[in-house]
Amino acid sequence: QVQLVQSGAEVKKPGASVKVSCKASGYSFTGYYMHWVRQAPGQGLEWMGSINPNRGDTNYAQKFQGRLSVTMDTSITTVYMELSRLTSDDMAVYYCARDLGSSSMGSWGQGTLVTISS
Amino acid sequence: QSVLTQPPSVSAAPGQKVTISCSGSSSNIGKNYVCWYQQFPGTAPKFLIYDNVKRPSGIPDRFSGSKSGTSATLDITGLQTGDEADYYCGAWDSSLSAVIFGGGTKVTVL
Repeated sequence: QVQLVQSGAEVKKPGASVKVSCKASGYSFTGYYMHWVRQAPGQGLEWMGSINPNRGDTNYAQKFQGRLSVTMDTSITTVYMELSRLTSDDMAVYYCARDLGSSSMGSWGQGTLVTISS
Repeated sequence: QSVLTQPPSVSAAPGQKVTISCSGSSSNIGKNYVCWYQQFPGTAPKFLIYDNVKRPSGIPDRFSGSKSGTSATLDITGLQTGDEADYYCGAWDSSLSAVIFGGGTKVTVL
């Protein structure tokens, strides 16, 4: 079955960067786009960007252009999300989610809490 | 402010029906598929409806989706206490070249 296992919670200082990993298993890694979605405390879902593991091309939400980087390592079927220049507004749970087509997200990771604290 | 508009909350008694609306525009719902997600507190969202009306395996037929023009709807019939959760609609926006979500709707079973 499809499994997406994310790295553990992070505590970062303002201005720092965070890198979250998402280990995929149970399906053909290169066959499906992977998205990153975040959710601030008490707030809704916010799409950040996606990667095509087949070609490595990425697409980022305008809001995150310039400080978001989504990469992958096909040898270990893992996708990474790196967000730089963190502020308190970036405190959220970050999810990876596998695309099923039509930008629908059929499988989700367990989420990674990123806390920003000086 | 979300690009897709949902009511903040809906409620009904057990066994009744609730309808959650999702309003968009010609660049998103008007030309692309809509999906729906269910989220319980402290857990990841769960895939509920895709391609406007399709249910993944394991999702009961009490949950149904529809789309008309630039709006979509999620119906939950035979409401159960276990359906209390937040529900989000999502779609691709061709103008933004981005996935967009509604602000979420909290379903309360009275």
